[in-house]
Amino acid sequence: ETGVTQTPRHLVMGMTNKKSLKCEQHLGHNAMYWYKQSAKKPLELMFVYNFKEQTENNSVPSRFSPECPNSSHLFLHLHTLQPEDSALYLCASSQEWGRDQPQHFGDGTRLSIL
Amino acid sequence: GQQVMQIPQYQHVQEGEDFTTYCNSSTTLSNIQWYKQRPGGHPVFLIQLVKSGEVKKQKRLTFQFGEAKKNSSLHITATQTTDVGTYFCAPFIGGKLIFGQGTELSVKP
Repeated sequence: ETGVTQTPRHLVMGMTNKKSLKCEQHLGHNAMYWYKQSAKKPLELMFVYNFKEQTENNSVPSRFSPECPNSSHLFLHLHTLQPEDSALYLCASSQEWGRDQPQHFGDGTRLSIL
Repeated sequence: GQQVMQIPQYQHVQEGEDFTTYCNSSTTLSNIQWYKQRPGGHPVFLIQLVKSGEVKKQKRLTFQFGEAKKNSSLHITATQTTDVGTYFCAPFIGGKLIFGQGTELSVKP
């Protein structure tokens, strides 16, 4: 139990579908992150939210749309994805963005694009 | 952009042998974190190093930060099958963690 819960664990979708990934943290943290982990590649930071405000967008394509309604919840809305978007999507949280504190990761959503 | 090089990419050892992974940067780092990801799992924070030349131990794991704060290492003594996984270094740069490519450790019983 990491304190960070991601749903769904697995998702298979077609390129024309719209779906959302959900992340919830129970740690009282103020920063939340989305990472992409592809095979044989390092974790790629996608988005950062600090106190519900987006502080980082690492040139992520617009087919990925994040939403952070409060400090405990983070969503990643997906639409018209490409096969190369198949990967493990990890959510993480930390006490506050910009501080060298440990990040706590969820179990991830394994996404497959048909 | 800022990168860290982590070597080796893979390491296969016999149970009981030692294991070391190295993380190198071309620039001076303020601090560095280490994470472990088990197969099918998620990264789990192990430790953070901050001081030049710092050495920290966790049972059979020894973490070291170089004197120039440009490199770091993780050494496991007498590996066990429970050590299997990918070990990532992650320096804190520009307000965010930059993960290395990871070293995948496999242990043959």
